[in-house]
Amino acid sequence: SYVLTQPPSVSVAPGQTATITCGGNNIGRKSVHWYQQKPGQAPVLVMYFDDHRPSGIPERFSGSNSGNTATLTIRRAEVGDEADYYCQVWDRTTEHDFGTGTKLTVL
Amino acid sequence: FQLRQSGPGLVMTSQSLSLTCALLGDGVSSNSAAWNWIRQSPSRGLEWLGRTYYRSKWYYDYSMSVKSRMTIEPDPSKNHVYLHLKSVTPEDTAIYYCARTGVPGVENWFDPWGQGTQVTVSP
Repeated sequence: SYVLTQPPSVSVAPGQTATITCGGNNIGRKSVHWYQQKPGQAPVLVMYFDDHRPSGIPERFSGSNSGNTATLTIRRAEVGDEADYYCQVWDRTTEHDFGTGTKLTVL
Repeated sequence: FQLRQSGPGLVMTSQSLSLTCALLGDGVSSNSAAWNWIRQSPSRGLEWLGRTYYRSKWYYDYSMSVKSRMTIEPDPSKNHVYLHLKSVTPEDTAIYYCARTGVPGVENWFDPWGQGTQVTVSP
């Protein structure tokens, strides 16, 4: 499988910018998708094709991908953004792979 | 568009597990969608299990980790997709999700997801 490494946790104060990374070998050559998962709920897509926001996702969410790191950035973080975030890629040989997940705390 | 899941929450070791994913608002035979099963556990994280899609005929792809034990069954008459997993062990204890992707190899993100089904395999 293709290994995707995320920091276990990220903490930010309300109103500040949260940066969540997803590391993988030459991940910049792949398309990265991001999911938000709140406790007891299914994951929700918040970014696809590196930097495309689905409808209904606030403009505060943005994404980038280059080299060996993809990044999900949440500006003006809110308490309601607290959740686990997962990156995901597709590879022709390994199919779908998910990152290890990052718990975002806003306090 | 929604995916609504159902199925047993408890299965005995060595038995078979069957889960249902009902599609509300899209057709299982859609030429622009694929129907996936994913599971999540503390030990394995999020794990893609397999998918089916229709392009003049049905196609099936499975993760190597479950390929020998898993079958995905589409039912166009009911607009359902089923997961069948045989010979389960406690290692199969997880929350199971169905989810939609788009054109295979191109639109590879999962959206939407079903609400999830907690499955516990009893020793």
